[in-house]
Amino acid sequence: QKEVEQDPGPLSVPEGAIVSLNCTYSNSAFQYFMWYRQYSRKGPELLMYTYSSGNKEDGRFTAQVDKSSKYISLFIRDSQPSDSATYLCAMSGRLGETSGSRLTFGEGTQLTVNP
Amino acid sequence: NAGVTQTPKFQVLKTGQSMTLQCAQDMNHNSMYWYRQDPGMGLRLIYYSASEGTTDKGEVPNGYNVSRLNKREFSLRLESAAPSQTSVYFCASSIWTGGSGNTIYFGEGSWLTVV
Repeated sequence: QKEVEQDPGPLSVPEGAIVSLNCTYSNSAFQYFMWYRQYSRKGPELLMYTYSSGNKEDGRFTAQVDKSSKYISLFIRDSQPSDSATYLCAMSGRLGETSGSRLTFGEGTQLTVNP
Repeated sequence: NAGVTQTPKFQVLKTGQSMTLQCAQDMNHNSMYWYRQDPGMGLRLIYYSASEGTTDKGEVPNGYNVSRLNKREFSLRLESAAPSQTSVYFCASSIWTGGSGNTIYFGEGSWLTVV
């Protein structure tokens, strides 16, 4: 069983829709939770970062972490065609300056927002 | 500011051939990484270097070697390429920022096909 599970989609929504992307995980040691966005034939770029449980909002994007349920979500409000990309969740345990960042990634969800 | 630059972008190899993927970052980051991305598997860590002069195995190191040439450069070598190494390879770098942990920045990717 994978440590991080993410529905690969594809997910297709109309412009303006609210999008919900989710990941579940099994490792209780995970404390840092991230969402990356990856456009076609490009490298992933960091979108949102959350430490431990709670919500974080940045413009149209909201990240939620529920450690008790081992479940994280990314919500996109008023979705735009430019949001069409693959969204990857990533997480890690306790980080340190010399330990490197041992991120574990989900498989990624492919999202298409139709005009 | 180029960020993380990796070469070549595309390469076709015959089984048994060797090659080196080059990576350089100009952000003065301490840590560097090599990931591979495959359909259905997500991003998997091959090797990482937490700081200049150190390298460690990641999740899928078999068949690869790495060299941290200096703080800027981190190369990935395939000594005897196999079809199973057909993948998209991403180099990445990060710097420890205390409470925010490590933020990983990815290169654009290298598409490798082994025939």
